[in-house]
Amino acid sequence: DVKVTQSSRYLVKRTGEKVFLECVQDMDHENMFWYRQDPGLGLRLIYFSYDVKMKEKGDIPEGYSVSREKKERFSLILESASTNQTSMYLCASSSSGTANTEAFFGQGTRLTVV
Amino acid sequence: AQRVTQPEKLLSVFKGAPVELKCNYSYSGSPELFWYVQYSRQRLQLLLRHISRESIKGFTADLNKGETSFHLKKPFAQEEDSAMYYCALGVYNTDKLIFGTGTRLQVFP
Repeated sequence: DVKVTQSSRYLVKRTGEKVFLECVQDMDHENMFWYRQDPGLGLRLIYFSYDVKMKEKGDIPEGYSVSREKKERFSLILESASTNQTSMYLCASSSSGTANTEAFFGQGTRLTVV
Repeated sequence: AQRVTQPEKLLSVFKGAPVELKCNYSYSGSPELFWYVQYSRQRLQLLLRHISRESIKGFTADLNKGETSFHLKKPFAQEEDSAMYYCALGVYNTDKLIFGTGTRLQVFP
């Protein structure tokens, strides 16, 4: 059974804190993604990584950074958390080589910034 | 610019009624299109992709390049179809996946 695992299901952080969201996949996928999911706004791509140490900005990268030191792990970093970053964060992975490939999602991390 | 538009936030039907969830895209290249579904308390998962031309759980979707649409259809809705549905566009040569805003389907008994 394919697996994308996000380290936390729920997180509560204070404004200004540095926050790390971790994601691990066991499918040897080249591509990994971070999205945020908000009602009425759908899934918006924050960052995308197509290989180890390679990354590309998505549609809403401001206030976020990412790290991919190993193929199986993709971390999302909120440098200084703000209340407008309260959201559901979804990690996904897919194999490379075709835009037709299926993406597999984690269970999500609901982050609340107070 | 690449964009996916789902005009309906909520679609409510009765069991047995036909369902059509609309999706339009904007993309200059050859599109790769998907429908993803999220049932309550479950993770987002692939429902179907246009290249497979398959029917999954009674759902079908046809790519219409002239109208730049990829609407999801089912002739007879079931209560278990109630979920959030997202249309997505695969960007050629990047593997990037762009999602729409989603449509919540409610099927009443």
